[in-house]
Amino acid sequence: EVQLVESGGGLVQPGESLRLSCAASGFAFSSEWMSWVRQAPGKGLEWVANIKQYGSEKHYLDSVKGRFTISRDNAKNLLYLQMSSLRAEDTAVYYCARVTGGGFYCGQGTLVTVSS
Amino acid sequence: QSALTQPASVSGSPGQSITISCTGTSSDVGDYNYVSWYQQHPGKAPKLMMYWVSDRPSGVSNRFSGSKSGNTASLTISGLQAEDEADYYCCSHTSSGTWVFGGGTKVTVL
Repeated sequence: EVQLVESGGGLVQPGESLRLSCAASGFAFSSEWMSWVRQAPGKGLEWVANIKQYGSEKHYLDSVKGRFTISRDNAKNLLYLQMSSLRAEDTAVYYCARVTGGGFYCGQGTLVTVSS
Repeated sequence: QSALTQPASVSGSPGQSITISCTGTSSDVGDYNYVSWYQQHPGKAPKLMMYWVSDRPSGVSNRFSGSKSGNTASLTISGLQAEDEADYYCCSHTSSGTWVFGGGTKVTVL
């Protein structure tokens, strides 16, 4: 069974940092592109970042470039999102997603709240 | 990275068919067949309903179908059922290697 379990969310103040993790199982993690997708409270889905199988290619949403870094550990089947200089507008549920056939299979998400 | 355009809401009676449109540009929907659709019930994670424009993942009802013409993709739900009431999002790959979602469509079963 494919599982994506996100962790690391929480309440932080503006300007602080946070690292999200995603534990993947049930599929060949190192063979798949992986992504992070987020959803602000009451808003729509927003793609955040993706990373190629061995990390050689990464892409980011313009508003998070220079602040967020996506990475992966294929030996441990883990995906990460390092978030720094967090802003109130980064408040959202963050979903880890496996990218297969051009579609995203999402985990259950972890909530990040940026507030003073 | 402008969001794809979807109608805010679509409604239909049980048994009817409805279609949700998703309009992008020649740099995303019009240029790639990496168009996907997601169903999201309140408080739940998004569920992949269609990928590669018109392919259904295993377990998704064949009442759902997808198509694309030019810069506009569409998701059709046939034989509308109460359980289909949810938010639906389209998504496309872009020429810059990123992905973009639509603003979402609330489907109401009357």
